[in-house]
Amino acid sequence: GENVEQHPSTLSVQEGDSAVIKCTYSDSASNYFPWYKQELGKRPQLIIDIRSNVGEKKDQRIAVTLNKTAKHFSLHITETQPEDSAVYFCAASQGGNNDMRFGAGTRLTVKP
Amino acid sequence: GAVVSQHPSWVICKSGTSVKIECRSLDFQATTMFWYRQFPKQSLMLMATSNEGSKATYEQGVEKDKFLINHASLTLSTLTVTSAHPEDSSFYICSAYRGNEKLFFGSGTQLSVL
Repeated sequence: GENVEQHPSTLSVQEGDSAVIKCTYSDSASNYFPWYKQELGKRPQLIIDIRSNVGEKKDQRIAVTLNKTAKHFSLHITETQPEDSAVYFCAASQGGNNDMRFGAGTRLTVKP
Repeated sequence: GAVVSQHPSWVICKSGTSVKIECRSLDFQATTMFWYRQFPKQSLMLMATSNEGSKATYEQGVEKDKFLINHASLTLSTLTVTSAHPEDSSFYICSAYRGNEKLFFGSGTQLSVL
C-alpha cells in the first residue's frame, strides 16, 4: 500500500520568511496530492492540491511542486504570517474515492 | 463550500459503555466516507472506509467488532465504539468524499473514556 513520509516534523520561521515542507510517497499509481492545514482543535482544511499531470501549482503565497519520477512533492509558503502557524499534512491517493494516506504532519510556527 | 457535520464534538463515557459518533454531509451526497483516529500531535490514521449500502473496509489492526461503522444513507455514516476502554480515548474525525478527489472533514469528536 501507499506510504507517505513527511519532513520536517516541526518548522519554525520568522514572519516574512519562506517555509518548505517535503513529502515522499511510495506508490507510483498515486496521482493526486493534496495538502491540508489543521489549526489546533479544528478540522483539516484543504489548502492546495496537485495532480500528477502537473509539475507545479501556485495559489497566492502557497505553491506545490511535484516530481513524479522521484516520487516527492513539496509545499512552499512565502512571506509567512503568524496565522500560517498550524499543522500541515500532505497526502497521496490514486484519485477517485480511493483512500488517502497522510504524512505524519509538520507543525509550523511563524514567529512575529 | 461543502459542509460535513460531526457530532458530538466531545464525549465522556464510562468504561464498558458504547458511544456513537455521527458524520453527515449537509449539502452533498457522499458515497464514500472515511473514519480516522488522531492522537495528540500525530497524524490522521485511517481506520476504515465506509461505502453507502455496503460493509465498511477496515485497515489492518482495526477491530471491526470494536469500531462498528454504518453508512445507511448517502449523507450519514456512524461510528460506534463498543465497550469503550480508556485506551480508546482519542480524537476521531470523519471525512466525506464529494467527488473530483475532494475530501471534506468533519470537526472531530474528542472521546474520553474513564
